[in-house]
Amino acid sequence: SQQGEEDPQALSIQEGENATMNCSYKTSINNLQWYRQNSGRGLVHLILIRSNEREKHSGRLRVTLDTSKKSSSLLITASRAADTASYFCATDRPGGYQKVTFGTGTKLQVIP
Amino acid sequence: NAGVTQTPKFQVLKTGQSMTLQCAQDMNHNSMYWYRQDPGMGLRLIYYSASEGTTDKGEVPNGYNVSRLNKREFSLRLESAAPSQTSVYFCASSGGTSLQYFGPGTRLTVT
Repeated sequence: SQQGEEDPQALSIQEGENATMNCSYKTSINNLQWYRQNSGRGLVHLILIRSNEREKHSGRLRVTLDTSKKSSSLLITASRAADTASYFCATDRPGGYQKVTFGTGTKLQVIP
Repeated sequence: NAGVTQTPKFQVLKTGQSMTLQCAQDMNHNSMYWYRQDPGMGLRLIYYSASEGTTDKGEVPNGYNVSRLNKREFSLRLESAAPSQTSVYFCASSGGTSLQYFGPGTRLTVT
């Protein structure tokens, strides 16, 4: 069963706009990660946020985590055409870092 | 460094045929993983190997076997392929954290 579910399933924006995608999960977590997948390629790690962190930044990426609501959001600011990809959240539970569960993904299209 | 490599990139099998997907990593990682990705389903863990010499079932292990040949290599075997195993297969590795590095994938079609 999927631990994480992303929302929306698909998002289309103009270049330069911000993109926000959300992830909800069901059980307690140790870490939450976001990955990007370009069409036909493997996943690439973007950012990891620990359960005791609330916000993390990396370049144009901002991730928030609300453990009380079991949810996270990924914000991409000033989007570029190259950001077009699918984005997945992934969670792991305390004591089991190998068992990472991935969500179903948000497909982002950035229109030049 | 090549990171995580997978062979083959594409494969077409007939129902009942067998094949082995190969994966290798050059990052000296202890843990390795096999996932399958189906449309609308995200990635689902088939098997993982926490360290050399150990393997454990994931969420969808039925119909698959794995071998952790050494620290670098982790193979996935389909003994008798079925159309339901048509999917894209990804290998990944990690070095003591949940952060995983993925290979480019193998696109498998079973007719």
